[in-house]
Amino acid sequence: QVTLKESGPVLVKPTETLTLTCSVSGFSLSNAEMGVSWIRQPPGKALQWLAHIFSTDEKSYTKSLRNRLFISRDTSKSQVVLSMTNVDPVDTATYYCARISTTMTPGGFYYYMDVWGRGTVVTVSS
Amino acid sequence: SYELTQPPSVSVSPGQTARITCSGDALPKKYAYWYHQRSGQAPVLFIYDDTERPSGIPERFSGSSSGTVATLTIDGAQVEDEGDYYCYSTDNSGVEWLFGGGTKLTVL
Repeated sequence: QVTLKESGPVLVKPTETLTLTCSVSGFSLSNAEMGVSWIRQPPGKALQWLAHIFSTDEKSYTKSLRNRLFISRDTSKSQVVLSMTNVDPVDTATYYCARISTTMTPGGFYYYMDVWGRGTVVTVSS
Repeated sequence: SYELTQPPSVSVSPGQTARITCSGDALPKKYAYWYHQRSGQAPVLFIYDDTERPSGIPERFSGSSSGTVATLTIDGAQVEDEGDYYCYSTDNSGVEWLFGGGTKLTVL
């Protein structure tokens, strides 16, 4: 059974760095075409994809937050870590991690999130 | 920047057909995916690769895509189908991954 679980601080002060951990089970972060995404959802608002990392260590970030995000993985611990620098109250949200699944077609690869964690709520406030 | 556009809300009576659309310029070349989110819960994948249904998702849910519009159809909507539905896809380059703004489905 594939599961993902997010963990991290509940409360962070403005300008601090937020570090979140996604612990996975039921699949290996070193398997080919395997990856994990981070997604967030501010209260009452839509989902926003933040970043992803693949088993090849390929990483990508959403354009608007590229300068503040860093994603990494520890395959021995089955964990993916997301760091966000210089947080602001607008970064208050539920943060989710999700497994990336892949569809291979003659035209290319398609990536999507198939299994999600339950999310962790982060509040940015002084 | 690239956007996926959804109607904010859709309302139907129980047993009626509900259709939720997702518009994006890259959709002719990129698959659309659909997620359902109940209040306070994590999103759940309901449709992948435009039309495919994961195991465990009821048959009344189906997906289609034509041109720049992807559509999630619920044939015979039920009260338990209420919640927020999000489409997901990528831009033409595949670099930017994004969700639509979400559609709140009400069945009453």
